[in-house]
Amino acid sequence: DAGVIQSPRHEVTEMGQEVTLRCKPISGHNSLFWYRQTMMRGLELLIYFNNNVPIDDSGMPEDRFSAKMPNASFSTLKIQPSEPRDSAVYFCASSILAGGDEQYFGPGTRLTVT
Amino acid sequence: GQQLNQSPQSMFIQEGEDVSMNCTSSSIFNTWLWYKQDPGEGPVLLIALYKAGELTSNGRLTAQFGITRKDSFLNISASIPSDVGIYFCAGQAGTSYGKLTFGQGTILTVHP
Repeated sequence: DAGVIQSPRHEVTEMGQEVTLRCKPISGHNSLFWYRQTMMRGLELLIYFNNNVPIDDSGMPEDRFSAKMPNASFSTLKIQPSEPRDSAVYFCASSILAGGDEQYFGPGTRLTVT
Repeated sequence: GQQLNQSPQSMFIQEGEDVSMNCTSSSIFNTWLWYKQDPGEGPVLLIALYKAGELTSNGRLTAQFGITRKDSFLNISASIPSDVGIYFCAGQAGTSYGKLTFGQGTILTVHP
């Protein structure tokens, strides 16, 4: 079975550019989560969706960050404009239960903003 | 907000040794999860615990949900080189439906 799929795996961009990260959750999972991982702050939850509806976006750092889930099999996390401090690994995770506990992570996107 | 203290931060052990790590919380959790992360990959779920006192095994791994509901433990028996990685605990409180709080991780190094 395919796990959570993320693309791209690596992204290098210049400050000020728009960045779009993509995620395909595990088929049949109802909840989708976006995380950011850095050495300093560890794993931080940015936003999560239940049945394609954003439930909690309190972790989104600022207005430059936005996330959408147009359907059950696709979500995007967009940063516009990007800044060097956004450099991190961004993970998408999904779970079968609405707001579920057992979250399954994708391989991540390593973002570098120069 | 909830905070998780995971210890130790790192461990250097010989192949064949047993490993123990733990997480403590400032508040009560309803669920404890343990993940392992390899370099360049996402965290992989190892064990999920849902009940205070629960003891669950997955191969050489055993995890326990503390009786106070504020702690959890992970043990690895007879470690092997492929056990190398970062181990994270994560918990979910009843008041934070859908949100997991993660520990800072334990970096495990196994010397052959």
